[in-house]
Amino acid sequence: AQTVTQSQPEMSVQEAETVTLSCTYDTSENNYYLFWYKQPPSRQMILVIRQEAYKQQNATENRFSVNFQKAAKSFSLKISDSQLGDTAMYFCAFLSGGGSQGNLIFGKGTKLSVKP
Amino acid sequence: NAGVMQNPRHLVRRRGQEARLRCSPMKGHSHVYWYRQLPEEGLKFMVYLQKENIIDESGMPKERFSAEFPKEGPSILRIQQVVRGDSAAYFCASSQGQGGTTEAFFGQGTRLTVV
Repeated sequence: AQTVTQSQPEMSVQEAETVTLSCTYDTSENNYYLFWYKQPPSRQMILVIRQEAYKQQNATENRFSVNFQKAAKSFSLKISDSQLGDTAMYFCAFLSGGGSQGNLIFGKGTKLSVKP
Repeated sequence: NAGVMQNPRHLVRRRGQEARLRCSPMKGHSHVYWYRQLPEEGLKFMVYLQKENIIDESGMPKERFSAEFPKEGPSILRIQQVVRGDSAAYFCASSQGQGGTTEAFFGQGTRLTVV
């Protein structure tokens, strides 16, 4: 069975600085997708970034980028120029390439605090 | 285009009562997913429905829990005879299609408290 591990329960960063959140996963599949979701205090789950396992190029979305290491099964999220609005829980998630979008497997999350 | 709408936002039930959680997907979305989030945990998949059909219910407890997505109206997650352990946030997501290239949009969740 696939598992997703986020080893940092909490992290903090100063505004305008860069922070990296870690995520590792375990799977025997070769085709899958990885996601980072943000959950602010409003509890809304917001998709931050998506990576297809068959793509070697790391995904980027404005200030958010990933470091995808397929062999190491590692998928870290880098947030550059951190803003106060980035304060939230961040969840890493795995989706099997053969499954529906519904079979997202989430890690336990990292609570990120951006300090002014 | 309104997002995924869940109601109620907060629901309090006494042990033994029934809880009904509603989810209206985004316009044009025919795929609905329910997740449960326990305190200090990530979301856990419960069930995947497509209009009038249950596609995957592998994450849903076999007893007391049921889900439907009728032709007309919202998707309903129903929990009968609630127990304290059912207290959690329940999230609904919807998508246009299935698979990793189709983004699932989440609602704000229903926080169920069983007293």
